[in-house]
Amino acid sequence: GAVVSQHPSRVICKSGTSVKIECRSLDFQATTMFWYRQFPKQSLMLMATSNEGSKATYEQGVEKDKFLINHASLTLSTLTVASAHPEDSSFYICSTGGKGNQPQHFGDGTRLSIL
Amino acid sequence: GENVEQHPSTLSVQEGDSAVIKCTYSDSASNYFPWYKQELGKGPQLIIDIRSNVGEKKDQRIAVTLNKTAKHFSLHITETQPEDSAVYFCAASKGITGGGNKLTFGTGTQLKVEL
Repeated sequence: GAVVSQHPSRVICKSGTSVKIECRSLDFQATTMFWYRQFPKQSLMLMATSNEGSKATYEQGVEKDKFLINHASLTLSTLTVASAHPEDSSFYICSTGGKGNQPQHFGDGTRLSIL
Repeated sequence: GENVEQHPSTLSVQEGDSAVIKCTYSDSASNYFPWYKQELGKGPQLIIDIRSNVGEKKDQRIAVTLNKTAKHFSLHITETQPEDSAVYFCAASKGITGGGNKLTFGTGTQLKVEL
C-alpha cells in the first residue's frame, strides 16, 4: 500500500506558538490529502480536504484561519495550527486521497500538546 | 450527511475465538466500506475494504460482509491472536475506493484478545 510520512510525531510547546505539521506521500502523487483530528478514545473527525494547487475545503465548524492548510506539491501537504492554545491539543492525522483506484492511507499522526 | 454507527464499543475474546464488529450506515449512496486497525499512538492501517457490488470479501483470517439493503456491514476476525488487540474503525464513502472522497468513520471498537 501507499506510504505516508507525517512529521513531527510529537510536539510540545507553549500557548501562542504556531505549529506546522507535514504530511508526505512517499510513493505516489496525491492530488488530494485529508487532515483529521482525534481526541483520546474517540473516532477520527475530518477537519479539511487538502487539494493540490487550490484552496482547502474545510468541514463545518473548523476555523480556516486557525488551521492553515497548504498543498503546494503533489507529495506534500502541511497543516499549521496558528497561535495554538491548550484546547488545540490533540492527535492530528493526515491521509492521502489516493490516485485512481487507490484507497486512503494514513500517516502515523502528530501528538500536539500545548502547555 | 452520512452517519456511521459501530458496535460494540469494546470487545473481549479469548485467543483463538472469533470476533465480529458491526456497522450501519445511513446514506444509500455510499458504495465503499473500508476497515482500519489503529494501534496505540499510531495512525489507522487499512486491513480490508469492500465495494458495494460485492457481498463478501475475505483475506486470510479477516472477512467483511456487506448487506446493501439493510445498510450494514461487518468485520469478522477468526482465530484471534493477541496481536489483533487494537481499535478497529469502520468507514463509509461515496467514492469508488474512498481515495478522493471523504470517509465517514464509525466510533471505533476496542478489541482485546486475552490469552
